Amino acid sequence: AQKVTQAQTEISVVEKEDVTLDCVYETRDTTYYLFWYKQPPSGELVFLIRRNSFDEQNEISGRYSWNFQKSTSSFNFTITASQVVDSAVYFCALSEAGNAGNMLTFGGGTRLMVKP
Amino acid sequence: DSGVTQTPKHLITATGQRVTLRCSPRSGDLSVYWYQQSLDQGLQFLIQYYNGEERAKGNILERFSAQQFPDLHSELNLSSLELGDSALYFCASSRTQSSGNTIYFGEGSWLTVV
Repeated sequence: AQKVTQAQTEISVVEKEDVTLDCVYETRDTTYYLFWYKQPPSGELVFLIRRNSFDEQNEISGRYSWNFQKSTSSFNFTITASQVVDSAVYFCALSEAGNAGNMLTFGGGTRLMVKP
Repeated sequence: DSGVTQTPKHLITATGQRVTLRCSPRSGDLSVYWYQQSLDQGLQFLIQYYNGEERAKGNILERFSAQQFPDLHSELNLSSLELGDSALYFCASSRTQSSGNTIYFGEGSWLTVV
């Protein structure tokens, strides 16, 4: 069965600090997809990134970067020089190719608070 | 703005009542999903439709039902409501039904059952 664990339930940093959000997943499939979503205080879920299991290249998008390591079943998310607007709950999610349909299994989320 | 439209944004209703949540997917997307977000259970997949047909089912209660219409919009019907059904209900959509398709979420419908 698929499972996503975000061990950090809450992180508090001061603006301009770097912060890494951890995500560990479990799957029996060899083909799977990993996602990160952001949920700001307003409540909507905003897509950030998608990664397939065959692409272990790290990705950088502005202040955001993602480190995918199959050896440790982790897909960690780093925010560099955090800003107050980064305050949100961040969710990691997994979709297995072997599933019927395209069901996402979400982790419990990490609440990030960036203080000025 | 993801392009997924949900109505209503907020809804307060009494126990035992029935409500309908509506969703319009992004233009061009054929697959629609419903998710429930509650404090105790987190984000849970309820059901997926593709081009009008049910594609996958998650932890959806028998009191809940959904459908996708020919114009691709979807409705989630919640009946015999209980206090525990209070949650944020998300509709989402993707281009196809296949695993790995990026899923875009709407802003959610906040349901409060009193």
